[in-house]
Amino acid sequence: DAGITQSPRHKVTETGTPVTLRCHQTENHRYMYWYRQDPGHGLRLIHYSYGVKDTDKGEVSDGYSVSRSKTEDFLLTLESATSSQTSVYFCAISKGTDVKGEQFFGPGTRLTVL
Amino acid sequence: GENVEQHPSTLSVQEGDSAVIKCTYSDSASNYFPWYKQELGKRPQLIIDIRSNVGEKKDQRIAVTLNKTAKHFSLHITETQPEDSAVYFCAATTHNDMRFGAGTRLTVKP
Repeated sequence: DAGITQSPRHKVTETGTPVTLRCHQTENHRYMYWYRQDPGHGLRLIHYSYGVKDTDKGEVSDGYSVSRSKTEDFLLTLESATSSQTSVYFCAISKGTDVKGEQFFGPGTRLTVL
Repeated sequence: GENVEQHPSTLSVQEGDSAVIKCTYSDSASNYFPWYKQELGKRPQLIIDIRSNVGEKKDQRIAVTLNKTAKHFSLHITETQPEDSAVYFCAATTHNDMRFGAGTRLTVKP
């Protein structure tokens, strides 16, 4: 499992509330990613990080922010959750030396926004 | 940005038959093409990948082929088994992100 954990694994929240998802890795990899998975869309990149305090936007970044204050932790925040953000969120790490290396996924977080 | 299309969306085969899943990509700068298998309720897992300087790669019953000129790549599974049943995703990586296809649900009937 490449030493990746996500918390929480399941969350139900209400529209308008802030939500933070945590990704933790134990192997000191430089690159970390947040994806969302929805039926018919595969996996879509939200944000990624290439080092402590170094982040960039992905394909579907609107409504999301990220932070990486330590190598091992990558946080995804929904400032004001909406029903369209109901999804399964996967964190991933890359074992390569650049962003095009093999990516390994965490177990996922199922988020429901009512 | 990169656009990856994957076909078919569903595929049903008899145990022992071969299965082929095809993907096309739009950005000629893409140079890394992984394939992931995702079982129900589980995380996607890398099963094979290919880089643009290689035309074909095999790993036991799984093979991937890449045609850079036509911008398409394919996953081939031979001698399918019921445990091959899952959703398979292709992806293409260019510049700073990886774009995934929408997935193929493969069912292997015993």
